[in-house]
Amino acid sequence: ETGVTQTPRHLVMGMTNKKSLKCEQHLGHNAMYWYKQSAKKPLELMFVYNFKEQTENNSVPSRFSPECPNSSHLFLHLHTLQPEDSALYLCASSQDLKRGNDEQYFGPGTRLTVT
Amino acid sequence: AQKVTQAQTEISVVEKEDVTLDCVYETRDTTYYLFWYKQPPSGELVFLIRRNSFDEQNEISGRYSWNFQKSTSSFNFTITASQVVDSAVYFCALRLYNFNKFYFGSGTKLNVKP
Repeated sequence: ETGVTQTPRHLVMGMTNKKSLKCEQHLGHNAMYWYKQSAKKPLELMFVYNFKEQTENNSVPSRFSPECPNSSHLFLHLHTLQPEDSALYLCASSQDLKRGNDEQYFGPGTRLTVT
Repeated sequence: AQKVTQAQTEISVVEKEDVTLDCVYETRDTTYYLFWYKQPPSGELVFLIRRNSFDEQNEISGRYSWNFQKSTSSFNFTITASQVVDSAVYFCALRLYNFNKFYFGSGTKLNVKP
């Protein structure tokens, strides 16, 4: 089983749809992250969870709603998105948020297209 | 404010050439961590190396080497005798001690041609 999995890998949705992205990590990590990757831009950190508690929300619009039911699963619920939200959404995990030198393990991402 | 700059958007080399990817960072903090990640076409970023701000020792791992210089706020990455499999997007990242924030550069796309 690969370390961090994401489903679906590709998603096309209309602006009025509601969909969810799922991330699962099999590494026993306690911290999980959502990133947005747009073409030729730096990765944008969206949300951070540590032991299921949200510790960071980088001014992300409310049309993106995260959920972390346990340390292994992370969801990103999407509703009434805009075309500019089209991007690659990456999930990552690390051992413990308090250990600053921990590397992150990334999933393959969900390629989202908003029409 | 924190920032990571990777000025090289895209680099193309021929196999067996050496190539250096530049990374310049900005922070006023004295304790921080620097990372390099590789993103192959499959999508997931793969961790390559980390450095903390107190460890300026350069590192070599096979064909990869890293040059960390606090005086110029740079953390450059060199691939010696590049191979086609090195083709990917490479990201440099900064994390501050005690903060839940990660700052990534915009990435450098490396194309290694046979």
